[in-house]
Amino acid sequence: GNSVTQMEGPVTLSEEAFLTINCTYTATGYPSLFWYVQYPGEGLQLLLKATKADDKGSNKGFEATYRKETTSFHLEKGSVQVSDSAVYFCALSLNSGGSNYKLTFGKGTLLTVNP
Amino acid sequence: GAGVSQSPRYKVAKRGQDVALRCDPISGHVSLFWYQQALGQGPEFLTYFQNEAQLDKSGLPSDRFFAERPEGSVSTLKIQRTQQEDSAVYLCASSLTSGRGAEQFFGPGTRLTVL
Repeated sequence: GNSVTQMEGPVTLSEEAFLTINCTYTATGYPSLFWYVQYPGEGLQLLLKATKADDKGSNKGFEATYRKETTSFHLEKGSVQVSDSAVYFCALSLNSGGSNYKLTFGKGTLLTVNP
Repeated sequence: GAGVSQSPRYKVAKRGQDVALRCDPISGHVSLFWYQQALGQGPEFLTYFQNEAQLDKSGLPSDRFFAERPEGSVSTLKIQRTQQEDSAVYLCASSLTSGRGAEQFFGPGTRLTVL
């Protein structure tokens, strides 16, 4: 089956530190890859995505590159801010029949950034 | 603009009670998904609708779970004879299209606690 494995948290960093959250996947096809973020008290929202190999998704200073050879989609940011404190979820989608592109999520990584 | 809304935000049920959870997707969104998120885990797929048609219900954990979207907009997830293991956050997501890489927009979730 399809699955996503992401780095276990919690991750605690100081402001302006470099962030990496590892994500690898197993899929029975050619998935699209996503990072979703959940800020405290808010719903899940899309952070970035990539739909084919070697694509780089980017948003709000975050980046992730779709690496088919290593089945990975690691999230990086060069300088985190306190406002980046949230739970980050890596996810994949595949056509599961017809028009169904349901998401398969990792367990999430809690990031806390201290001033 | 209005996002995905869900109601109630919190629901406490006694074991054995029936509950109904409502999702109002973004207007015009064709695809609608329900996910279940246990504490400390990533969301897991329950069911998928394209307009009013339920095309995939493979993630529903038992026949006590039932979902409908009769007019292709509002959806209701019903759980009959609730059990303690049903305690979770139930997330609804909608997307404008059903294609590869389509972004799913999530509601805030309904937190169900079964006593």
